[in-house]
Amino acid sequence: AQKITQTQPGMFVQEKEAVTLDCTYDTSDPSYGLFWYKQPSSGEMIFLIYQGSYDQQNATEGRYSLNFQKARKSANLVISASQLGDSAMYFCAMREARGAQKLVFGQGTRLTINP
Amino acid sequence: DAMVIQNPRYQVTQFGKPVTLSCSQTLNHNVMYWYQQKSSQAPKLLFHYYDKDFNNEADTPDNFQSRRPNTSFCFLDIRSPGLGDAAMYLCATSRGHGTFTGETQYFGPGTRLLVL
Repeated sequence: AQKITQTQPGMFVQEKEAVTLDCTYDTSDPSYGLFWYKQPSSGEMIFLIYQGSYDQQNATEGRYSLNFQKARKSANLVISASQLGDSAMYFCAMREARGAQKLVFGQGTRLTINP
Repeated sequence: DAMVIQNPRYQVTQFGKPVTLSCSQTLNHNVMYWYQQKSSQAPKLLFHYYDKDFNNEADTPDNFQSRRPNTSFCFLDIRSPGLGDAAMYLCATSRGHGTFTGETQYFGPGTRLLVL
């Protein structure tokens, strides 16, 4: 069974610093995708970045990058130059190729950016 | 802009009184999902529709039902809400490209349900 683990319930970072949010996963499917979503206090889940299991390079989207270490089964999100608006819950999620459209989420990390 | 819309954003109901939450999408996606998210927890998938095919999660209580009358709309019906059903309910959509692992789910803003 697939499993996602986020070990940091909360993180506090100074504005403009870089921050890394940890995510480890477990799956027996060789084909899978890893996603990060941001959920502000308003509640909407906002897609940030995707990494496929066969992708050779780490994914990047603006200030977001994904540090994908396949052998360690980790997919950490790196946010560069953090902003006050980055304060939110962040969820790591995985979809297996055989997972029948399902997305499985980790427990989330609450990130707070201090001015 | 193409989007996922949920109405209402906030819903208050009484214990045991049936309630319906609605979701609509302009993305023309094949798949629509309903998630339940309780405070400080991860979203939990209740069920999803692939076109007209309904897929229920094994641990979704019978109290929760869903309808998808057409591609654009999907409804979540809670037949007899209990206090434990108070949560955020999130609707999401995706294209439905089979085994493609990169298929992104796009979420609506959610409906916060309060049960009195």
